Amino acid sequence: DAGVTQSPTHLIKTRGQQVTLRCSPKSGHDTVSWYQQALGQGPQFIFQYYEEEERQRGNFPDRFSGHQFPNYSSELNVNALLLGDSALYLCASSLASNQPQHFGDGTRLSIL
Amino acid sequence: AQKVTQAQTEISVVEKEDVTLDCVYETRDTTYYLFWYKQPPSGELVFLIRRNSFDEQNEISGRYSWNFQKSTSSFNFTITASQVVDSAVYFCALSAAEYGNKRVFGAGTILRVKS
Repeated sequence: DAGVTQSPTHLIKTRGQQVTLRCSPKSGHDTVSWYQQALGQGPQFIFQYYEEEERQRGNFPDRFSGHQFPNYSSELNVNALLLGDSALYLCASSLASNQPQHFGDGTRLSIL
Repeated sequence: AQKVTQAQTEISVVEKEDVTLDCVYETRDTTYYLFWYKQPPSGELVFLIRRNSFDEQNEISGRYSWNFQKSTSSFNFTITASQVVDSAVYFCALSAAEYGNKRVFGAGTILRVKS
């Protein structure tokens, strides 16, 4: 039973570029949440998807957008990358918003 | 406001010592959930426990135990007889209905267990 898988593992981009990160939820899970974790800090909630719609959103600008597909997998897109976007991006899946979330290993994004 | 405070930035102990990680939370909601996660160097967040606001019963799971006290808005985590493999960053998190169940994490506590 595969857990949450994220790709790629690492990514290097330059300022102004765009990036897409991918997440496949744990089998049987239908809710996907994305978090940004800067170095030395706790994860910050970006948004949550359920039934292919964004259900909740944290305090992130519109440059951060996402999508959920019919198979429950999800993408996180970030446009016009800034140096401050450098972080570990974590995807978590669950059966519902308050059920325990299972996290992937994350994608480490570095902006040069 | 919805907030989680983990005042201990870093704790170092020697193997077999007991250690308690503190977590204090703020929410105006009466219905909420509290969580603890472990993040080893590999980066993955590992779920440890979920507690709802109506259940103040303490819980023990092997060497792990949790003390939930609504009167002090605290949800502390104790590791008994610590081991080197317990070395990790530990996060406390809160999810409350007033904020649409968005999960808010504390800044984390780095635990270093030395042999």
